[in-house]
Amino acid sequence: DTEVTQTPKHLVMGMTNKKSLKCEQHMGHRAMYWYKQKAKKPPELMFVYSYEKLSINESVPSRFSPECPNSSLLNLHLHALQPEDSALYLCASSQRASGSFAGELFFGEGSRLTVL
Amino acid sequence: GENVEQHPSTLSVQEGDSAVIKCTYSDSASNYFPWYKQELGKRPQLIIDIRSNVGEKKDQRIAVTLNKTAKHFSLHITETQPEDSAVYFCAAMGTGTASKLTFGTGTRLQVTL
Repeated sequence: DTEVTQTPKHLVMGMTNKKSLKCEQHMGHRAMYWYKQKAKKPPELMFVYSYEKLSINESVPSRFSPECPNSSLLNLHLHALQPEDSALYLCASSQRASGSFAGELFFGEGSRLTVL
Repeated sequence: GENVEQHPSTLSVQEGDSAVIKCTYSDSASNYFPWYKQELGKRPQLIIDIRSNVGEKKDQRIAVTLNKTAKHFSLHITETQPEDSAVYFCAAMGTGTASKLTFGTGTRLQVTL
């Protein structure tokens, strides 16, 4: 199984809503990532979890709250978002996030978020 | 931090011709350089990668070259086909306590008949 599964595929939410994006992998990877991708732009790193601990937060606003309940799951909790937060949110995993080589990143299909 | 520049931003070639996309990176500690293909509305998909201990790698019609001294790497696609049309991203990853993959700005490749 080389899949990273993301749900939901599409999400529309108002600025006062609370929602969550979910990501799951069963490849035994110990590093998981959230990326944000705006149209016609490259993916931008938001968070890195290594062995279920947050190791990188790229100065992401607190209205985005990541959570890694176990080594297979990664959530992104959304609250009080702005219309400019509308984007494709990509989850990825790799064997590890430290050492001499982290390994190939496997991306999920993404969750397309629209904030009204 | 790492900075990756990618050129050209758009590239149009005729079917059967070759396409070359070039990237430069800033962090000499980076040691892993993947290339991703992203079709409209889809996830980035790894098409080829190279590690810093190798100068060139080839997989059928796709090849990547790396010049560590000059800190640049290139993607070569030969005998292009319409299905090669997509956005291509180069990326660089370093070592450390939490490896970060930094992407280039992307190249939109259009293969015309």
